[in-house]
Amino acid sequence: GAVVSQHPSRVICKSGTSVKIECRSLDFQATTMFWYRQFPKKSLMLMATSNEGSKATYEQGVEKDKFLINHASLTLSTLTVTSAHPEDSSFYICSARPSQGLTDTQYFGPGTRLTVL
Amino acid sequence: AQSVAQPEDQVNVAEGNPLTVKCTYSVSGNPYLFWYVQYPNRGLQFLLKYITGDNLVKGSYGFEAEFNKSQTSFHLKKPSALVSDSALYFCAVRDPNSGNTPLVFGKGTRLSVIA
Repeated sequence: GAVVSQHPSRVICKSGTSVKIECRSLDFQATTMFWYRQFPKKSLMLMATSNEGSKATYEQGVEKDKFLINHASLTLSTLTVTSAHPEDSSFYICSARPSQGLTDTQYFGPGTRLTVL
Repeated sequence: AQSVAQPEDQVNVAEGNPLTVKCTYSVSGNPYLFWYVQYPNRGLQFLLKYITGDNLVKGSYGFEAEFNKSQTSFHLKKPSALVSDSALYFCAVRDPNSGNTPLVFGKGTRLSVIA
């Protein structure tokens, strides 16, 4: 149990285009999901906390108009990188915390590798 | 504020030898502590956690960790390392009294098990 999926796993896009990444909790409901960014050989940087049915809370330094987060249901959160540029190339990982049961544990998706040309 | 320190960027160990990956934490109350493992180009996999109870926690793949409140540590251990254990390991902490906050991660420790 407690599986989180991400789609796509890998995406290459041209500079200036927008890319949407989906994060789904497959076998549990998640009121709260988190989006992280990971640079090569670095730790995870929290970008934002996504709460179902409300606006996301962004960490300091993360542009909310560039990284649009939507958490429309208890099993789906999306991250849209708008007008992507090469510096946005990174590994994006989502995480979900169950609404019930093991609410203390965060479960992670497999990540999405974004490359902006 | 919560924080986690993983003092070693890299740990090298011979296959079959015991391994230890160190983690210390700082949190105002009683912590929730976690270990995750990340293989190349993959997300994080949950290994084990300490919430309450027995200080020695056993997790996946033969790993265990001991919560030491006096030393504010939560070191990850395994009696006999495998080459397949080579990966990036993250320690994380959360203060359960801080509301619905995310885990705070250490910078990670790369474990290399040499055959």
